[in-house]
Order: sequence, then C-alpha cells, then structure tokens
Amino acid sequence: QQQVKQSPQSLIVQKGGISIINCAYENTAFDYFPWYQQFPGKGPALLIAIRPDVSEKKEGRFTISFNKSAKQFSLHIMDSQPGDSATYFCAASTSGGSNYKLTFGKGTLLTVNP
Amino acid sequence: DSGVTQTPKHLITATGQRVTLRCSPRSGDLSVYWYQQSLDQGLQFLIHYYNGEERAKGNILERFSAQQFPDLHSELNLSSLELGDSALYFCASSVLSGVYNEQFFGPGTRLTVL
Repeated sequence: QQQVKQSPQSLIVQKGGISIINCAYENTAFDYFPWYQQFPGKGPALLIAIRPDVSEKKEGRFTISFNKSAKQFSLHIMDSQPGDSATYFCAASTSGGSNYKLTFGKGTLLTVNP
Repeated sequence: DSGVTQTPKHLITATGQRVTLRCSPRSGDLSVYWYQQSLDQGLQFLIHYYNGEERAKGNILERFSAQQFPDLHSELNLSSLELGDSALYFCASSVLSGVYNEQFFGPGTRLTVL
C-alpha cells in the first residue's frame, strides 16, 4: 500500500519558470510533511517542511502548500534554475507514538532547461 | 554536508556474503534511522534506533540486523546477501525533539552484490 503518492514522475521546466510537484497521503495520523532534494550520488537533503496547522510555508524560492481536507500537499519552486535539477521526494511522518519513520513518495525528476 | 557520515561509500561483494555498513550521526542527535533506496521500491524505512534502543522496524529482512552503540554510531549488518539486496543504503539522524522530526541523511553506501 503506497501511503504517499507523488506526481509527476518527471518534470521539465524552462529557466525562470515555476515547478510544481504534488503529493497525496492516506494516513490521517501524518502530521509532519518534509520535502527532500537529492542530486545524483548524494543523500537526500532536507529542503523545507510543514505541519498541518498552517496552509503554506515559504523559504526563499521554495513554497509548500498544504490542504488538510484533501490530504494533499505540494512543492512550488519559483524562478526555477538549472541548479535545481534534481530528484525531489515528498515524505510524511507522525510525531506521536514511537515510530517516527519517514514514508516517502516515489520521487520526481526535475530538469530545468537553461 | 549534513554532518552524518557513512562508510564505506561503495561496497562490492558476492552472493551469500555478509557486510557491515557504518553510520555516525550528527553531533547531539540520539536517533539513527536506516533506509534502503532502490529503483523499484524507492526509499524504504528499515529500522530506527534511539539512544541505543531499537524503536521501530520497517520492511527489514530477517537477514538484516542493526545496532546502535554507546557512542551513538550505528551499524547495519546484511548477511546471506542476494542479488536483490543491491541498493543504496542511507542512514539519517535526528534530535527527536518530539515536535519536528527533522531527519538529516548521510551520503549513503552503494552496495553491489554480484
């Protein structure tokens, strides 16, 4: 059972454009939603994260939009740059209990053309 | 650089063999998580240790085991290796403050089983 569904699988954007990646989750106990950026040969790097008590969080060119009722969240990359070309993963976890594992989406390969 | 270190970077071995992957968490982090990344399964949670104690298990095979030592470094032991165990293995660490579960990933160990 895939608890976090991510789309699209791949995305090509022109430099300066907006990249949008979407995720949907099933487990209503999830209350922490991070996005990770991974370059080839590197480990995932934490980019930005949100909790469901806010609908939007912005850090520089990166914004997370969160819709609790729809159980969806998305990453927007404004003014996309060639250096943003990487694989992006959404994830979710709970902050209660003893299991804080991250459940990841399948990833989106972003290519930003110059 | 996340502050999480993993050794070795690459490991090539044969089927049936046993290997040990090592992880040192960020200074001050008490939690260590192990994840497996493969093309077909994506990023999958294996196991979580907190201050030396096992906290949660995910889709970890019985042939795999882990431990966290008093100095907080962790080792993932993989035995009776099969071709399908070839993957990237990441560890991540977190403070586990309870509110935010910010996990920081190491550079990974690429395991190739021939």
